[in-house]
Amino acid sequence: EIVMTQSPVTLSLSPGERATLSCRASQSVTRTYISWYQLKPGQAPRLLIYGASTRATGIPARFSGSASGTDFTLTISSLQPEDFAVYYCQQDYDLPYTFGQGTKLEIK
Amino acid sequence: QLRLQESGPGLVRPSETLALTCTVSGDAIRSSSDYWAWIRQPPGKRLEWIGNIDDSGTTFYNPSLKSRLKISVDTSRKQFSLEVSSVTAADTGVYYCARHGGLKLAYDYWGQGTLVAVSS
Repeated sequence: EIVMTQSPVTLSLSPGERATLSCRASQSVTRTYISWYQLKPGQAPRLLIYGASTRATGIPARFSGSASGTDFTLTISSLQPEDFAVYYCQQDYDLPYTFGQGTKLEIK
Repeated sequence: QLRLQESGPGLVRPSETLALTCTVSGDAIRSSSDYWAWIRQPPGKRLEWIGNIDDSGTTFYNPSLKSRLKISVDTSRKQFSLEVSSVTAADTGVYYCARHGGLKLAYDYWGQGTLVAVSS
């Protein structure tokens, strides 16, 4: 099983700041199969990034994704109040498909 | 825009079968490689992929749950369903249904999730 490890577990920042969320796969994963999701309580999860770096429909340009080997990064360039949520990376390169443990982005 | 809605009991007794249905409405671009999925999140834990099914009924299950799982699809009713047998407290959590878009290779539409508690 591919283990996805996210860091940090909690990130405390202020609106306007830049957020960098990391995700590392335990083995090689083709970037095509890496996605990032945003979860807020009581809401449907939202696809942000697919293919490691492609923004999903309607996702603001302040969200970006990148990849380097088994390391994947989600960057939010300038945090807006609505961005404070929990973020998950996910791979469906190999069964069983797995998620990271999440990074909680909280207001400082 | 595609909309997905989970439905089913919020409380299931230990050793019984958890049964949920996902109803799909609305419209969205489809591809032949789309499939439907169930994903859950136990309290305080990460999201866990349960399994997938395509419109022809082909399934892929998480090996850790496979012996207790059944996922089915009814395309005429635009629904797909999940059954988890012999449940324990470890099966408590929020259950989501989602579409895995074949063009994006990602879960591009999700339901809001439904909380299922396993308790006597």
